[in-house]
Amino acid sequence: AQSVTQLGSHVSVSEGALVLLRCNYSSSVPPYLFWYVQYPNQGLQLLLKYTSAATLVKGINGFEAEFKKSETSFHLTKPSAHMSDAAEYFCAVTKGTGGFKTIFGAGTRLFVKA
Amino acid sequence: DAGVIQSPRHEVTEMGQEVTLRCKPISGHNSLFWYRQTMMRGLELLIYFNNNVPIDDSGMPEDRFSAKMPNASFSTLKIQPSEPRDSAVYFCASSLEGNQPQHFGDGTRLSIL
Repeated sequence: AQSVTQLGSHVSVSEGALVLLRCNYSSSVPPYLFWYVQYPNQGLQLLLKYTSAATLVKGINGFEAEFKKSETSFHLTKPSAHMSDAAEYFCAVTKGTGGFKTIFGAGTRLFVKA
Repeated sequence: DAGVIQSPRHEVTEMGQEVTLRCKPISGHNSLFWYRQTMMRGLELLIYFNNNVPIDDSGMPEDRFSAKMPNASFSTLKIQPSEPRDSAVYFCASSLEGNQPQHFGDGTRLSIL
């Protein structure tokens, strides 16, 4: 069975500081990995996706994530936080053969302090 | 690209009433998903269609919930009879294939009184 664990339901950083949101997955086969962002009263939007082409994946808004198979991790980072980054972030794993199953993590709410 | 369109955006109704949520996926996408989001349970997959056929409905809470996809451009999620514990935000999402990024609608905020 696959699962996704996001460490920390809330993360608070100062504007300009490094953002690090953690995601660990369990999967018996290499999965498809995604990060999504959700702003208030909106649906989820794709930030970036990993599909085995490269271990370091760049996404929108300056975010990137690194796939580490040995650690089964796919942490999301951004060098310098901006106030507009305040939102909820979801890590997701998709795998399957003949029918795909996507599991979302519980989400991490990012607060950015001025 | 109009994105995934959900209606209504908000629905308030009394328990026992039938509720129908609607979704128009992005044209050309062959996978459609219905999710429910609550503070307590987070984002839950209710059902997943591929080429209009239900592939995985293991997340549908109980028989009061049903979903249909009569054609590639329309899907409904119906709750009958509705209960207060069904109050949540319901999202529809679509993707090119089941393993591709999902595009979410803005959701329907459902309140059952």
